[in-house]
Amino acid sequence: DQQVKQNSPSLSVQEGRISILNCDYTNSMFDYFLWYKKYPAEGPTFLISISSIKDKNEDGRFTVFLNKSAKHLSLHIVPSQPGDSAVYFCAASAGNSGYSTLTFGKGTMLLVSP
Amino acid sequence: DTEVTQTPKHLVMGMTNKKSLKCEQHMGHRAMYWYKQKAKKPPELMFVYSYEKLSINESVPSRFSPECPNSSLLNLHLHALQPEDSALYLCASSRVGTDSYNEQFFGPGTRLTVL
Repeated sequence: DQQVKQNSPSLSVQEGRISILNCDYTNSMFDYFLWYKKYPAEGPTFLISISSIKDKNEDGRFTVFLNKSAKHLSLHIVPSQPGDSAVYFCAASAGNSGYSTLTFGKGTMLLVSP
Repeated sequence: DTEVTQTPKHLVMGMTNKKSLKCEQHMGHRAMYWYKQKAKKPPELMFVYSYEKLSINESVPSRFSPECPNSSLLNLHLHALQPEDSALYLCASSRVGTDSYNEQFFGPGTRLTVL
């Protein structure tokens, strides 16, 4: 059973508009959430993260919102740029064993058109 | 240096071959990871090394044999693979610590094709 779900395989947005990528999780033990961005033929690149004790984290054009009661998080990109076109993976981690073990969602392909 | 490097970028091998994938980082990270990613799927964790010791083996078949010769290097030795093992193999590294979460930095991956 998938513990991290990204139900939208793809999303198309116009340049300058807001992109909202969604992620749901089922494991209540997850206490840290991350978003990774992946271009073809490259490894995932860390984008932004949020601890379960917070409900919002902002870094430039990227903001992640966490709703613990709904077990839902979202990534907002404002304004969207064509260079943001990539696959975005939501990932979650449970506990702190010193090193991290991540559970990934299936990813959402974002296409930002000029 | 915030880079994780992986060699080779592409590898084609037969089912009877023996080959190795290499991963290197110079960020002083003491945790290193191997992931397998099939097309249109998320990365799946295979192995975790912490302080050069194998900490997690996610029930990976013995035809995959990891090795961590020192804190900067991680190898994945391949032997008698099956065509279904064809995938993108990703290496990652992170700090080890208990005061805060430690993000993983990924390499570009090795695209493996087993004939």
